[in-house]
This record gives sequence, C-alpha cells and structure tokens, in this order.
Amino acid sequence: DGGITQSPKYLFRKEGQNVTLSCEQNLNHDAMYWYRQDPGQGLRLIYYSQIVNDFQKGDIAEGYSVSREKKESFPLTVTSAQKNPTAFYLCASSWGYEQYFGPGTRLTVT
Amino acid sequence: QQPVQSPQAVILREGEDAVINCSSSKALYSVHWYRQKHGEAPVFLMILLKGGEQKGHDKISASFNEKKQQSSLYLTASQLSYSGTYFCGTERANQAGTALIFGKGTTLSVSS
Repeated sequence: DGGITQSPKYLFRKEGQNVTLSCEQNLNHDAMYWYRQDPGQGLRLIYYSQIVNDFQKGDIAEGYSVSREKKESFPLTVTSAQKNPTAFYLCASSWGYEQYFGPGTRLTVT
Repeated sequence: QQPVQSPQAVILREGEDAVINCSSSKALYSVHWYRQKHGEAPVFLMILLKGGEQKGHDKISASFNEKKQQSSLYLTASQLSYSGTYFCGTERANQAGTALIFGKGTTLSVSS
C-alpha cells in the first residue's frame, strides 16, 4: 500500500536535546512538507521541498532543520533552539494539487 | 499571511446546514479545503480554481469569489460523519515552488 509513514507516533525528550522526526513516503511524490499543529493555530508550515537536495523555509522555520537527500525521505530535526517544541507534527507529500498527510508525531519536551 | 476562517466552531444536529468561510488579504488563484477528524490526519476535500473550475468531494460543495478573495464551503443536510475540523489553504508560490498556507480551522460538531 502506498502512503506516508511517520515515526514514532509519540516522542518524549528532555529540554536541550535535538530530536529528529522521520517521514517516509512511497508515493513517488516530488514535493514534501512539514507542518506543526497546535490547538487553535491550524497547520503552520515549517519547511517544504519540491525536489531532492532542495528545500525552503516556511512560516515558522526557526529552531528546525531538514534534509532531502532521497526522494522518499524528508526528516525534520527539532533543535534545542526551538523555544516551544512540544506540538503535533505532520508530514505531507504531493504530486499535483492534493496533499497526502502522514499520521503525525506528537512530540513532548520537558 | 494565513487565510482567515469563520466561524471558529459550529454545532449542528444531523440534517442541518452549515457554511464555513475562508478569506484572504492577498489575491487568490485557488483555495484548497481539507477535513481533519479527531485523532486523524487531514484529508483533501476539494480545490476551487480561479475561473470557476471545481474539483473534489461530491457530498460537499464550495464557491470561490475571486473579487472578494474568499471561498465558502457548504455542508448541506449534515451527517455525523461530517464532524471534524475544516481547514482552507491558499497557495504561496515563489521561484522555489508552491506551498499551502492553512487557516486556523473551523471545528464542526454534528450530533444526532
């Protein structure tokens, strides 16, 4: 079955640690995206990539980093510079106008 | 800028109608609608394109007013399965490509 996988579903980290969230897709989509979801804030764009080895900052890129070395993979690193990292993170991919979302990773930093 | 959605929340009984609005301060070329059920990932509903072409869901309709820079999503004769949070998304395009900027969402609760 084609789709997007995000792992793990729940992630707990101590403050000051970097953490990497995984996103893999087998849909052969060129474009991939990372969103952050907080209650009442909607889906806010962190980073996006239209093609391998290229990515762009979204609206809230500060404190995050990404890489796109393979078409099917777009990992997101939440660095210690991110002031409020506890949130629900969604990864998506697209080929045309429709975005397909993964199940998300809930990150808790204490 | 994030598009603005209204209302923030709607409570309905089965069979009632609802309208969700999405407006932008920038010129719109398309509006995308997604629905997210509780605990699940957002799912594409439809896209409204400049020029009037509509694609997507056959149970829910939408309009796109380019002059007013807004779109409305119409849910008629609502069903329990319509419950969820609805997001509109507008395109931001630059040399690097296109990304969607989503509104804050409208939560729809349908009860029997």
